[in-house]
Amino acid sequence: QVQLGESGGGVVHPGRSLRLSCAASGFTFSTYAMHWVRQAPGKGLEWVAVISSDGGNKYYRDSVRGRFTISRDNSKNTLFLQLNSLRAEDTAVYYCARDPGGLQWRFDYWGQGTLVTVSS
Amino acid sequence: DIQMTQSPSSLSASVGDRVTITCRASQDISNYLNWYQQKPGKAPKLLIYDASNLETGVPSGFSGSGSGTDFTFTITSLQPEDIATYYCQQYHNLPLTFGGGTKVDIK
Repeated sequence: QVQLGESGGGVVHPGRSLRLSCAASGFTFSTYAMHWVRQAPGKGLEWVAVISSDGGNKYYRDSVRGRFTISRDNSKNTLFLQLNSLRAEDTAVYYCARDPGGLQWRFDYWGQGTLVTVSS
Repeated sequence: DIQMTQSPSSLSASVGDRVTITCRASQDISNYLNWYQQKPGKAPKLLIYDASNLETGVPSGFSGSGSGTDFTFTITSLQPEDIATYYCQQYHNLPLTFGGGTKVDIK
């Protein structure tokens, strides 16, 4: 069965960095685009970034472009999100999510999420 | 960015009631709309894609309709296990955007 598992969250000071990972299993990871979606405590969902199946195309929301980098290692079935220059407003649970096809722009499987807290 | 406005933001209904949630886009998004269910402390779950297509394995008591700027999500007969927050999501333009959510509970 499809499984996604995020790790790497934690408490970090403003301006510092963090790297999130998402381990995938139960499907052919290299053939699916993957997304990161976040949710601030008690708030709604916010799309962060997407990477195509081969890693050749990446898109970001404006508020994270230039600070966050999405990447993947298809040989290790793992998705990453590098978070630099973190701000208080980046505090959220970060979910990795699978796109069911070649960028169909929906999320058919989600991980359990990892909490990032940016605080001094 | 395309703004997605859901209404109501919360509702209480009785078991067996028909529940309807609306989602309005700030511009025409054709049928590029998905619906998700999120239970407390859990990740969201895809229910409806392309405005009206039921995701595999999702009970038929859930449905969606609409096109353009106005969309509707319906629970035909509310059950206790349907208690959750429901979100719409557009994919006509990047960034992908979600509605603010509709929290559904039992009266």
